[in-house]
Amino acid sequence: SQTIHQWPATLVQPVGSPLSLECTVEGTSNPNLYWYRQAAGRGLQLLFYSVGIGQISSEVPQNLSASRPQDRQFILSSKKLLLSDSGFYLCAWRRGGSVETQYFGPGTRLLVL
Amino acid sequence: AQSVTQLGSHVSVSEGALVLLRCNYSSSVPPYLFWYVQYPNQGLQLLLKYTSAATLVKGINGFEAEFKKSETSFHLTKPSAHMSDAAEYFCAVSDRGNAGNMLTFGGGTRLMVKP
Repeated sequence: SQTIHQWPATLVQPVGSPLSLECTVEGTSNPNLYWYRQAAGRGLQLLFYSVGIGQISSEVPQNLSASRPQDRQFILSSKKLLLSDSGFYLCAWRRGGSVETQYFGPGTRLLVL
Repeated sequence: AQSVTQLGSHVSVSEGALVLLRCNYSSSVPPYLFWYVQYPNQGLQLLLKYTSAATLVKGINGFEAEFKKSETSFHLTKPSAHMSDAAEYFCAVSDRGNAGNMLTFGGGTRLMVKP
């Protein structure tokens, strides 16, 4: 069976510090991968998606970036965090090549102070 | 462009009462539709999905939803609410064939269940 992991679960960072959130998927190959942000009291905002290694599409311009160094690894990064980057970050995967369900990881709660 | 509207950011029902969470969508082509549930500090869990088979879709935990093309709706229902149903619910739409199969989410509805 497939599982999706996110690390860390919780993170408190000062403004201006760098960020690296990791998402890994097990039990499948060549998945489509997604990063979402959920700000307090708001819905989900798609940040990035990837259909393959090194292929990243950005949905919202901001100070975040994403990378996919391996087939089942998706990383969300920032060089300098802003207060507005606080939120709950969710990674999701879907089987590539078909319109199927997206499955979500447990999330990372980020608080920027 | 697709959009999803969930009427009512908060819904409160009594335990044992009917649950009705509303979702309306706009899409240029027949969509795929999803309902997800999110418990506090957790990721999203799929409740059910519509992908062009039967218009009445049954999901987990006793939930079901009906796709009504004429009303562009996909409302979520459950005959009898349990305390454990208290959570946030998200409706989502995926345009068939869109690159990357991106989901567009509604703003969410927080369901509260009173004893």
